[in-house]
Amino acid sequence: EAAVTQSPRNKVAVTGGKVTLSCNQTNNHNNMYWYRQDTGHGLRLIHYSYGAGSTEKGDIPDGYKASRPSQENFSLILELATPSQTSVYFCASGAGGGSQNTLYFGAGTRLSVL
Amino acid sequence: QQKVQQSPESLSVPEGGMASLNCTSSDRNFQYFWWYRQHSGEGPKALMSIFSDGDKKEGRFTAHLNKASLHVSLHIRDSQPSDSALYFCAAGSGSWQLIFGSGTQLTVMP
Repeated sequence: EAAVTQSPRNKVAVTGGKVTLSCNQTNNHNNMYWYRQDTGHGLRLIHYSYGAGSTEKGDIPDGYKASRPSQENFSLILELATPSQTSVYFCASGAGGGSQNTLYFGAGTRLSVL
Repeated sequence: QQKVQQSPESLSVPEGGMASLNCTSSDRNFQYFWWYRQHSGEGPKALMSIFSDGDKKEGRFTAHLNKASLHVSLHIRDSQPSDSALYFCAAGSGSWQLIFGSGTQLTVMP
């Protein structure tokens, strides 16, 4: 079973503070993704990566940075957290390849920005 | 307007009944569709994909795609309480990105 591990599982941050969400995958997948989940909006793509050293903007990248230092690790960084970034964040990995590209998600990080 | 729209927002069916979920896209570039399921407190998990017109069956789950109308549906027969979850439709047109709908909350009543 493909494994994607996120940390922390829960995080409370203050407005204006820096937040780093971490993701590790043991699937040896090239592609990794960060989504946020909000009621009524489904899953929205923030950033993604094709491999170590690469990061690309998704549909809602404003206020977020991403880092992919290795094949296994992909981080999401909120330099100046705002209450509007309160959400549940999911990391996913995938091998890539059209209709056969199954995404494997982590268990999520619940972030509250006060 | 979201590119992938799901209906209904919520659905209740009795145990053993049939659940039918719908998904419509507004983008004709989409070439394939996925169904994902998310149980409370967990991440989404892939159920099945479909990219050809017609039906695709996997156990109790059947997906149906009509490319002309960009409509895809998921039918769950003999629904079980363990099927209670949030179901996402997702559409893709390239090799990497999936666009997700807002989900349908399914409740199967014992």
